[in-house]
Amino acid sequence: AQKVTQAQTEISVVEKEDVTLDCVYETRDTTYYLFWYKQPPSGELVFLIRRNSFDEQNEISGRYSWNFQKSTSSFNFTITASQVVDSAVYFCALSGYSGSARQLTFGSGTQLTVLP
Amino acid sequence: DTAVSQTPKYLVTQMGNDKSIKCEQNLGHDTMYWYKQDSKKFLKIMFSYNNKELIINETVPNRFSPKSPDKAHLNLHINSLELGDSAVYFCASSQVRGAEAFFGQGTRLTVV
Repeated sequence: AQKVTQAQTEISVVEKEDVTLDCVYETRDTTYYLFWYKQPPSGELVFLIRRNSFDEQNEISGRYSWNFQKSTSSFNFTITASQVVDSAVYFCALSGYSGSARQLTFGSGTQLTVLP
Repeated sequence: DTAVSQTPKYLVTQMGNDKSIKCEQNLGHDTMYWYKQDSKKFLKIMFSYNNKELIINETVPNRFSPKSPDKAHLNLHINSLELGDSAVYFCASSQVRGAEAFFGQGTRLTVV
């Protein structure tokens, strides 16, 4: 069985602060994929990043960075110098490699509020 | 050009009715999905489908059924709607299972 845990239900920060969203996952697969999605107040789900289980290199995209650590089964997401437009629900997700595991299992989401 | 589009965006209906939500993707993807997002924002897979295989989440009532006339469409039919079916339903597609999924804008279903 696959499971994704986002222990932070809600986070509030003041604009320009850095914020890290935690994600811990469980899977029996040795090959798997991890994702982050953003859901702004408008409601759509926006794909941010996909990592496979063999690539533990951290990734940076502008103000966004992701830290993947297999040893702790974590895939954390950091926003640097947060902005009001970053306010959204952020979902971490996991997909396995075979059978019914090959579909996205989502965490419960973290509501991020960035205050001006 | 919208990559994954669903209609309608809002749907209000009475208990016991049958309704459908349509989904189309123009990404050329082989796999399509339906997800349900409840009032607490929790996203749960309902169906995963490509032209070879339908995977149904075992917790989905059989009142829900996906229908795919072709690779670019996966519609959701719901029979005998119940109050608990009220939620936002998202259609999505991906190149293959396990790849990143791209989502439609969602359909907010309200059963009264």
